Amino acid sequence: QQQVKQSPQSLIVQKGGISIINCAYENTAFDYFPWYQQFPGKGPALLIAIRPDVSEKKEGRFTISFNKSAKQFSLHIMDSQPGDSATYFCAASRRSNDYKLSFGAGTTVTVRA
Amino acid sequence: NAGVTQTPKFQVLKTGQSMTLQCAQDMNHNSMYWYRQDPGMGLRLIYYSASEGTTDKGEVPNGYNVSRLNKREFSLRLESAAPSQTSVYFCASSSAGAYYEQYFGPGTRLTVT
Repeated sequence: QQQVKQSPQSLIVQKGGISIINCAYENTAFDYFPWYQQFPGKGPALLIAIRPDVSEKKEGRFTISFNKSAKQFSLHIMDSQPGDSATYFCAASRRSNDYKLSFGAGTTVTVRA
Repeated sequence: NAGVTQTPKFQVLKTGQSMTLQCAQDMNHNSMYWYRQDPGMGLRLIYYSASEGTTDKGEVPNGYNVSRLNKREFSLRLESAAPSQTSVYFCASSSAGAYYEQYFGPGTRLTVT
C-alpha cells in the first residue's frame, strides 16, 4: 500500500489563484519530504523539499507547510501561472533507507488563463 | 552534461517478448534507480543500485532483472513481457550527499500487447 497519500487527484485553478495539494504519511521515521514537478513527456524534477524540524519553507511562489503532529504536509502554489500546469508528486524518505523515495499518487494541476 | 539518458523513448512488445531498457548518467552518481509510473499510483521503485556491483529489490521487482554495468549505466530487463508491465519507466540517479536528491531521465513508454 502507498506510504504517502496525496489529494486531490486533479485540480483546476484560474491564473493568479492558489493551488493547494495535501499529503499524509504514517511512518514517523520519514525525515525528508520533497515535492517533484513533472511536465507531460518529461521526467519528474525536484521542486522544493522540507525537513520535519521546520514548519514552513518558501521558494518563490511555492511553499511547503509541514505539520509533524498530524503527519501531514502540503504544497501551496501562489499566484498560479499557466506554466505551472503539471503533475506534482509529494514524497517521503528516511536516512535509514538511504533516502529512497516513497511517492504519493500525484496531482495534475491545470491553470486556466 | 546530458544528465540521465534513457533508450528507447517508446517501445511496443508482444506478450512473452523480452527487451532491455538502457539508462546512463554522466553526473558521477553512485546510486541509480528504476521506477515505473502508472496512472493513480505515482512512481514505484522496481530496483535500486547503491553502487557499481550492487543491486537491491524495490517495491515491485517481480518480472524484472537489472544490471549495473558500471558506474554510469544501469539496465532493466524484461525477460517475458506481460500486459501488466505496460507503463512508463523512469531511471534516476543520485549522489550520497544532499539527501540523495534524485535526477530523473525522460522515461520510456512501454506497451505490451
